[in-house]
Amino acid sequence: GAVVSQHPSWVICKSGTSVKIECRSLDFQATTMFWYRQFPKQSLMLMATSNEGSKATYEQGVEKDKFLINHASLTLSTLTVTSAHPEDSSFYICSAPPWGDGYTFGSGTRLTVV
Amino acid sequence: EDQVTQSPEALRLQEGESSSLNCSYTVSGLRGLFWYRQDPGKGPEFLFTLYSAGEEKEKERLKATLTKKESFLHITAPKPEDSATYLCAVQVTGGGADGLTFGKGTHLIIQP
Repeated sequence: GAVVSQHPSWVICKSGTSVKIECRSLDFQATTMFWYRQFPKQSLMLMATSNEGSKATYEQGVEKDKFLINHASLTLSTLTVTSAHPEDSSFYICSAPPWGDGYTFGSGTRLTVV
Repeated sequence: EDQVTQSPEALRLQEGESSSLNCSYTVSGLRGLFWYRQDPGKGPEFLFTLYSAGEEKEKERLKATLTKKESFLHITAPKPEDSATYLCAVQVTGGGADGLTFGKGTHLIIQP
């Protein structure tokens, strides 16, 4: 089945620095990748959709300049959290469109900004 | 605005005690309703997709059903390893992004 590999699993960074999260489709090509954010005991919230070869689409209220998304190839999408602050601490998860029946999710990245 | 509401927020059962989780949805148009299982610190694991009212799907101790307003995830004779957060999500028609709208989940604990 489709596998999405997400790295790193967790990262701690200092306030004001940037962090890059990678999401790779291992056994299929993904022209689209979805990025979600999940706060403790909250639902997954769609942040943006990355599209290979074109600009990402951001959901209302998500800062484009803070959350930079790049879909460099058919197997790689990245999310860069720029000038991170403690309020950006969250669980970030990527997802590929259905390959078969359901959307496939990465294992998630726990970001802690100190 | 599309909304997904799951109940209860948390549920504690004894091993072998069957129960049901509810997912109510209000959407402009439903393309699909998804159930996922999420373990702590992990990404969601796909369970089922339902597309139309009256549809049912089963997998081991789990059975998902769908009506025009809600979906149920029935768990029969659960085991401790079924403990997890169960997420419901919808994909709506006409949405350009095709991303999912999730509920907050039901945190299920099965006690031995």
